[in-house]
Amino acid sequence: GAVVSQHPSRVICKSGTSVKIECRSLDFQATTMFWYRQFPKQSLMLMATSNEGSKATYEQGVEKDKFLINHASLTLSTLTVTSAHPEDSSFYICSASGGLRPNQPQHFGDGTRLSIL
Amino acid sequence: GEDVEQSLFLSVREGDSSVINCTYTDSSSTYLYWYKQEPGAGLQLLTYIFSNMDMKQDQRLTVLLNKKDKHLSLRIADTQTGDSAIYFCAESLFNNAGNMLTFGGGTRLMVKP
Repeated sequence: GAVVSQHPSRVICKSGTSVKIECRSLDFQATTMFWYRQFPKQSLMLMATSNEGSKATYEQGVEKDKFLINHASLTLSTLTVTSAHPEDSSFYICSASGGLRPNQPQHFGDGTRLSIL
Repeated sequence: GEDVEQSLFLSVREGDSSVINCTYTDSSSTYLYWYKQEPGAGLQLLTYIFSNMDMKQDQRLTVLLNKKDKHLSLRIADTQTGDSAIYFCAESLFNNAGNMLTFGGGTRLMVKP
């Protein structure tokens, strides 16, 4: 149980393109979804937290107009990287948590490798 | 502030036990987690322990928690080449947004045949 599907797994596109990444919880309802960014050989950096039906909470230093997050349902959140540039190239990972209780762990998708040319 | 630290690298021989250590700073953490990341993949939840427990065992995995010293360890018995990966410990803080995680930098485990 607790499967999180993230698509696409890899994107290569030209500078200036907007890219949408989807994160779906397949067998549970995700009250909260998280978006992380991971640089090579580094740990995960939390970008934003989203709760279904409300605006995402962004971490300090993350541009909300650059990284648009939509959490329209209990099973789907999307991250759109608008007008992507080479410095946005990274590994983006989503996670989902099934409830607002302390013992609800985060379950992670397989990540999206974004390469901007 | 929150800070979770791990050693960067561990190398063991197949069949030996591996022990990955982690220290954290926030004594109000409710749960502590171990995740595994294979190359190019997301994070796989391995196990977690509630902060009022000392030990948790799940098949080949044993988690030890020393709350006084804020020290967490993951022991993998009979380590296999398939266990080669990066292992992240994480402490959780529960707030209105849910279960927020702070990750350590990850320990790269290399298992030699």
